[in-house]
Amino acid sequence: SQQGEEDPQALSIQEGENATMNCSYKTSINNLQWYRQNSGRGLVHLILIRSNEREKHSGRLRVTLDTSKKSSSLLITASRAADTASYFCATDGSGGFKTIFGAGTRLFVKA
Amino acid sequence: DVKVTQSSRYLVKRTGEKVFLECVQDMDHENMFWYRQDPGLGLRLIYFSYDVKMKEKGDIPEGYSVSREKKERFSLILESASTNQTSMYLCASSSRLHRGDTQYFGPGTRLTVL
Repeated sequence: SQQGEEDPQALSIQEGENATMNCSYKTSINNLQWYRQNSGRGLVHLILIRSNEREKHSGRLRVTLDTSKKSSSLLITASRAADTASYFCATDGSGGFKTIFGAGTRLFVKA
Repeated sequence: DVKVTQSSRYLVKRTGEKVFLECVQDMDHENMFWYRQDPGLGLRLIYFSYDVKMKEKGDIPEGYSVSREKKERFSLILESASTNQTSMYLCASSSRLHRGDTQYFGPGTRLTVL
């Protein structure tokens, strides 16, 4: 199974609402990253949180990491239609320098 | 800004054809990666390279080969394309061989094999 698994698979909200996506993983990590992918495009790096950090902010993004539960969450505040995209968490795998991506959460923000 | 480019956005090939997908990065990154992305499966690593002429198999290398003759260029080769290789192919690069280092992605090539 995937090292990083996002939940929910899909999320539909109104513009202005907050969106929360969760990621669970199985093995110990050095860091966890979140990426965004607009439809039919490549992935864009959003934020990286290290295993010794619990929370990190970047603009309207807030990421938390709970290593005891092997989980992370991505919160997008005051969402906009332009936030419509798929969001992936990615972890460093236990076997060297691979980055392992989850299947993603599809976010749809209605204007 | 880091720029990763891929030779084609869309490609249609026939079964049995040899297919070349090219990726170029302009940031002097040591590491380059090829993934395929299929609905519900996320990104799966095909091959990666940590230096010129060096390559390592990823999770799904069967049916693919790669070439890295120059630091900025990483090519994915489908020796004999098959319909189950219809997919979105994403190239990425990163600067250091550090666990989980940030990767920079190209726009992707959507390949259809008929």
